[in-house]
Amino acid sequence: GESVGLHLPTLSVQEGDNSIINCAYSNSASDYFIWYKQESGKGPQFIIDIRSNMDKRQGQRVTVLLNKTVKHLSLQIAATQPGDSAVYFCAENYDGGSQGNLIFGKGTKLSVKP
Amino acid sequence: DAGVTQSPTHLIKTRGQQVTLRCSPISGHKSVSWYQQVLGQGPQFIFQYYEKEERGRGNFPDRFSARQFPNYSSELNVNALLLGDSALYLCASSLWGNEQFFGPGTRLTVL
Repeated sequence: GESVGLHLPTLSVQEGDNSIINCAYSNSASDYFIWYKQESGKGPQFIIDIRSNMDKRQGQRVTVLLNKTVKHLSLQIAATQPGDSAVYFCAENYDGGSQGNLIFGKGTKLSVKP
Repeated sequence: DAGVTQSPTHLIKTRGQQVTLRCSPISGHKSVSWYQQVLGQGPQFIFQYYEKEERGRGNFPDRFSARQFPNYSSELNVNALLLGDSALYLCASSLWGNEQFFGPGTRLTVL
């Protein structure tokens, strides 16, 4: 399949290490945020979301941190595996996420070395 | 459970032609959104439909149009195709616009 990761920032980690992917969002009025994973030739896959009334949310092996003061979002992946290799996008939305118009960041390509 | 499905998977058109892309949402989802993803970039919002009504529109020309049917499936139409319309077109469904689940996309190539 075609690569969605051309000319994107790349994070290279060793298998088993923790990964941290960062995202600066644009709209201070945004109140709903999502992280997506996109593998080559596929559509974005939902990973985890967080609302602006929270600053941290945990899922299975993933944690999202939200810092509204500096409009920064991060995704932490614990014990990174080769299957985590993909492009990761953050997306923002306002009005509590009821509007179906997500604004996506530029993406980060995660490469996991075995 | 079936996820979001899109057809066709690939499409090749020439400049000036028209194209129709189709999307079937997850069963029970009433909201469908369309996105355009150019190679190497994040998806860009085109339209959202909820309960067959347009609820949002991104910064795309009038050559782009869409509609949603009573069964909540949706079509995206693009007229007078330009080379710059070559992209992956993604459809996402959700219950009411929040947590969006994406289909595999339709890869459109305009020659």
